[in-house]
Amino acid sequence: KAGVTQTPRYLIKTRGQQVTLSCSPISGHRSVSWYQQTPGQGLQFLFEYFSETQRNKGNFPGRFSGRQFSNSRSEMNVSTLELGDSALYLCASSPSPFAGAPYEQYFGPGTRLTVT
Amino acid sequence: EDKVVQSPLSLVVHEGDTVTLNCSYEVTNFRSLLWYKQEKKAPTFLFMLTSSGIEKKSGRLSSILDKKELFSILNITATQTGDSAIYLCAVYNNNDMRFGAGTRLTVKP
Repeated sequence: KAGVTQTPRYLIKTRGQQVTLSCSPISGHRSVSWYQQTPGQGLQFLFEYFSETQRNKGNFPGRFSGRQFSNSRSEMNVSTLELGDSALYLCASSPSPFAGAPYEQYFGPGTRLTVT
Repeated sequence: EDKVVQSPLSLVVHEGDTVTLNCSYEVTNFRSLLWYKQEKKAPTFLFMLTSSGIEKKSGRLSSILDKKELFSILNITATQTGDSAIYLCAVYNNNDMRFGAGTRLTVKP
């Protein structure tokens, strides 16, 4: 089975711009979660989508948004980029939703975003 | 506030040593605890623990959860240089997946 794929792998943007990152989950997985990883804050949960619905959201400003398509692929958008948004953005897929079941997830390789 | 604390933050051992990594948590509505290994890439899944006292084992790695004392340990026996990585503990509670800061393990030849 192919793993989780993320595109692009690397991205450089300037402050004020917006960016869209893409994630394709493992075939058959309907849950996609997004995380931000930085040296200072570690791995932080952004949001989770299941069956095209955002089910859970972490403590990030509204500039961070996402969506999921009917084929479970997901996109994450960050508007009005700030220098502090420079991070590794990881996507993870799971066969189960967050709620109501034991939850294991598999990470993609990440998109490294640099904001200058 | 929910939190996940891992210790030690870093550890240097020699090949063949046994190591124990710790993860303690304070999380409402605990559902499961997960361990990941992260090298120079995305985290790879190691174990998921939901019940106290049941050891999960995979080769030289094993892990156990204590839901009364709110902690988990990850043991690695006969360490190899390929075990060098950051080991992440995460706790999920239906609404959030909260990660610890990780333990950086370095295994020297």
